[in-house]
Amino acid sequence: GENVEQHPSTLSVQEGDSAVIKCTYSDSASNYFPWYKQELGKRPQLIIDIRSNVGEKKDQRIAVTLNKTAKHFSLHITETQPEDSAVYFCAASKDYGGATNKLIFGTGTLLAVQP
Amino acid sequence: NAGVTQTPKFQVLKTGQSMTLQCAQDMNHNSMYWYRQDPGMGLRLIYYSASEGTTDKGEVPNGYNVSRLNKREFSLRLESAAPSQTSVYFCASSWNYGYTFGSGTRLTVV
Repeated sequence: GENVEQHPSTLSVQEGDSAVIKCTYSDSASNYFPWYKQELGKRPQLIIDIRSNVGEKKDQRIAVTLNKTAKHFSLHITETQPEDSAVYFCAASKDYGGATNKLIFGTGTLLAVQP
Repeated sequence: NAGVTQTPKFQVLKTGQSMTLQCAQDMNHNSMYWYRQDPGMGLRLIYYSASEGTTDKGEVPNGYNVSRLNKREFSLRLESAAPSQTSVYFCASSWNYGYTFGSGTRLTVV
């Protein structure tokens, strides 16, 4: 089955710096790649996603890139702020557009933005 | 519009006890999911339901059963709880792609 690896497990940056989190997936049939942010004690929330027919997507300070050949995708956060501190999860699915959308998640990255 | 509602929020069980985690959504989503979250292991899919009346196993189904009672409700049952089932459980629903998660149930089995 699908396996998603995520690195690094922890990341500490200074406020204003950029942060990059990387994920690799094993199933070449995967066609949907979301990123979720989870603040301490809260539920995961979708922050950005990308489909396999797109190489890059940007939303303000957040961007995601996808390399289908290498089977990896990355989350880029620019001009980091203390409120960006959270655990970030990548995920992959090969069911996009089907009856369900089973997501297989990475193990998470704890991002700490130091003021 | 409450989204996805899970009950209870916290529960402590003794080994061997049974319980049912409840989940309901009011967004008219077809698909519903149960995940467990453990430190360092991310979110792992336990069971999912593509539509009312159908359920399928995910990555870690052993020790669990589910019921999709109707389009709104998807329950997760632990028949004989074990300490390895200590975790935070999240229910989610989706239409097409994006998930909406419930607020989670923190379960401790002693």
